Amino acid sequence: QSALTQPATVSGSPGQSITISCTGASSDVIYFDYVSWYQHHPGKAPKLMIYDVTNRPSGVSNRFSGSKSGNTASLTISGLQAEDEADYYCSSYTPSNTYVFGTGTTVTVL
Amino acid sequence: QLRLQEAGSGLVKPSQTLSLTCAVSGGSISSGDYSWSWIRQPPGMGLEWIGYIYYSGSTYSNPSLKSRVSMSVDMSQNQFSLKLTSVTAADTAVYYCARGGYNGYPLPFDSWGQGTLVTVSS
Repeated sequence: QSALTQPATVSGSPGQSITISCTGASSDVIYFDYVSWYQHHPGKAPKLMIYDVTNRPSGVSNRFSGSKSGNTASLTISGLQAEDEADYYCSSYTPSNTYVFGTGTTVTVL
Repeated sequence: QLRLQEAGSGLVKPSQTLSLTCAVSGGSISSGDYSWSWIRQPPGMGLEWIGYIYYSGSTYSNPSLKSRVSMSVDMSQNQFSLKLTSVTAADTAVYYCARGGYNGYPLPFDSWGQGTLVTVSS
């Protein structure tokens, strides 16, 4: 199974909004509405930020939101803050009862 | 609060078997409410899903690793384990255990261990 495609880097100034895309190589990879997003600060455990495309776990800031259109899912971070600087990964459940991660995006706060 | 902690050999020789365990505290594997997963990150690279196991012992794994991966659950110790055979330098990575995987519904990975570095080298 091929990794989902994400931009390598996305940057923005404090207070701005940024969007990270996550595209499947074939439409069936993100066919199901089971896309999740993870924030990963190097050296720490990854953290679930969004699940089932749009849902935020308890305790995650409402500055983080998710959406999906066709075979592309997106994570938007509004009101960008210095603490948002991290790597972000999407993940999707697949029709084969497996999971696949995206290639990862490094978010830089200018 | 759920806590997961990986343990195992940090250095494995090429062609040998990598063995890791994940101790779970603050929750019971035997509840059957969740599946339990392994995920890894090679140095400088992204996350790669390895596989998940139900409390019953049923498993699903990444097709690219399937022939080399085995997973098991020890409910008496509240832990689950990973074995990866015939390792090469390409298997050098930080290995994470996590709660999540398909369990009647595709669950996200909502709780992770801190990760353990495994280096494959002679």
